[in-house]
Amino acid sequence: KAGVTQTPRYLIKTRGQQVTLSCSPISGHRSVSWYQQTPGQGLQFLFEYFSETQRNKGNFPGRFSGRQFSNSRSEMNVSTLELGDSALYLCASSPDGNEQFFGPGTRLTVL
Amino acid sequence: QKEVEQDPGPLSVPEGAIVSLNCTYSNSAFQYFMWYRQYSRKGPELLMYTYSSGNKEDGRFTAQVDKSSKYISLFIRDSQPSDSATYLCAMRRGSARQLTFGSGTQLTVLP
Repeated sequence: KAGVTQTPRYLIKTRGQQVTLSCSPISGHRSVSWYQQTPGQGLQFLFEYFSETQRNKGNFPGRFSGRQFSNSRSEMNVSTLELGDSALYLCASSPDGNEQFFGPGTRLTVL
Repeated sequence: QKEVEQDPGPLSVPEGAIVSLNCTYSNSAFQYFMWYRQYSRKGPELLMYTYSSGNKEDGRFTAQVDKSSKYISLFIRDSQPSDSATYLCAMRRGSARQLTFGSGTQLTVLP
């Protein structure tokens, strides 16, 4: 089975812009979770979607949003980018939200 | 205080050594415990997934959970240079899907 794919792999944006990241889960997996990884804060949970519904949300501002499509693919959006949003954004795929398998991540740099 | 504490290392061992990696946690609601391995510039790779207290073995890896002490461990036998990576512990509550991660331990296995 193909693993989790994330696009793009690298992204450079400037403050104030918005960005959309994409995640394609493992075939048959219906749960997609997003995490932010930074050197200072480590891995932090953003949100989880299951069958197009957001089931859980982490402690991030409303500038961070996401959605899931009927084919389980997911996107996350960050509006009004700040320097502190520079991070590795990881998508995790799961059949049901239990065992979670991560993609390679999208490295976002905000200048 | 963080919910999950993990010694960041770095930890350096000779090839063939037994490696012990540990995490402690404060929230007794955590019921599921995982270990991930993350190579530089890659996404985390799920190594072990456990629920109950006790040991679980998979090849050279053994995961140990002691819920009474709120302590989990990962043992790597016959360590190889290819095991050099950052090891992350993760855990979640029974009903929630979000993972809470430790800060990661950087391991180097010297040839």
